[in-house]
Amino acid sequence: GENVEQHPSTLSVQEGDSAVIKCTYSDSASNYFPWYKQELGKRPQLIIDIRSNVGEKKDQRIAVTLNKTAKHFSLHITETQPEDSAVYFCAAFGAGNTPLVFGKGTRLSVIA
Amino acid sequence: SAVISQKPSRDICQRGTSLTIQCQVDSQVTMMFWYRQQPGQSLTLIATANQGSEATYESGFVIDKFPISRPNLTFSTLTVSNMSPEDSSIYLCSVGDFGSEAFFGQGTRLTVV
Repeated sequence: GENVEQHPSTLSVQEGDSAVIKCTYSDSASNYFPWYKQELGKRPQLIIDIRSNVGEKKDQRIAVTLNKTAKHFSLHITETQPEDSAVYFCAAFGAGNTPLVFGKGTRLSVIA
Repeated sequence: SAVISQKPSRDICQRGTSLTIQCQVDSQVTMMFWYRQQPGQSLTLIATANQGSEATYESGFVIDKFPISRPNLTFSTLTVSNMSPEDSSIYLCSVGDFGSEAFFGQGTRLTVV
């Protein structure tokens, strides 16, 4: 089955700097890669996703890139703000009827 | 988007007892899933709740310990049976079709004493 590795496990950045979180997946047939943000005590919320037919997607300060050949995808947050502090999870959907598999998460701290 | 109501939001239970968690969705959905999230950890899939048939369990999870019901396309329950302190965790209901956005309930924080 699908296996998703996520790095780093913790990340601290100064406010205004950029943050990058990287994930790799094992199933070359995987075709959908969402990123979730989970604030303390709250449910995971989708912040951006990408499908295997595109290489990059942007939404304001957030972007995701996908390299299908290398089987890795990354989350980029620019101009970080204190409210970006949270745990971020990458995930992958394999081909066929397989459920979402999550990475272990990255705890991002934005220091004002 | 789907709106998911999950209850209870939290509970403290005695070891050896059982707790049933309910998940109600505001629209019919094909796929419903149950996840466990231990403190500071990622989300681990327990099972896929199938409407009209037995749930599909992931490795390490068994029906006797985590019986699941899915009587219709908007509702599911997860029971944590014969609880021990190791079952203390957050349990999350999720809905979403394969290959598209997954939505989560607010979670049930379970503490077993």
